Amino acid sequence: KQEVTQIPAALSVPEGENLVLNCSFTDSAIYNLQWFRQDPGKGLTSLLLIQSSQREQTSGRLNASLDKSSGRSTLYIAASQPGDSATYLCAVSARASGSRLTFGEGTQLTVNP
Amino acid sequence: KAGVTQTPRYLIKTRGQQVTLSCSPISGHRSVSWYQQTPGQGLQFLFEYFSETQRNKGNFPGRFSGRQFSNSRSEMNVSTLELGDSALYLCASKAGEYYEQYFGPGTRLTVT
Repeated sequence: KQEVTQIPAALSVPEGENLVLNCSFTDSAIYNLQWFRQDPGKGLTSLLLIQSSQREQTSGRLNASLDKSSGRSTLYIAASQPGDSATYLCAVSARASGSRLTFGEGTQLTVNP
Repeated sequence: KAGVTQTPRYLIKTRGQQVTLSCSPISGHRSVSWYQQTPGQGLQFLFEYFSETQRNKGNFPGRFSGRQFSNSRSEMNVSTLELGDSALYLCASKAGEYYEQYFGPGTRLTVT
């Protein structure tokens, strides 16, 4: 059974700091890994999708890496802003389970002005 | 292009009642998945529909069911509601196997 863990559970940083969020998964037989952000009481916003054959993806100030063999992904946020405050979730899609995403518990990020 | 839409956004029901939630995927997306989000269990997969067929199902009791119509719109139904069914129900759609999933804003269900 696939299990996804995110560390840390919560993170508070001053504005402008670069930060790294971690995600690990137990079964390396994945289709892809997706990072989302969720604002309180809202749905999920897709940030980045990394296919199993890829090593990293970038979008603006965000960079996500994937090391399938070790079961790890990191989300790097450069020059953090208060608007980045949200819960960040990673989710993996396993080969055998189609579109089913297995989520981590999330990292709650607070960026202080 | 319009995003994933879900209706209603909020619902309050009483134990024992049933409820139907609706999801309209992004135009052209044929895969629709449903998730339940609670503070204690996090995000859990309910089921996925593709071309009107249930393709995958999570570990939820038979009280949770769904269907998909020919226009890819999907509904999920929960019968005999329990207090523990209170949650944010999220719907997601995607264009194909290797594509990212896009989520709707969710339906907040409260069971009293």
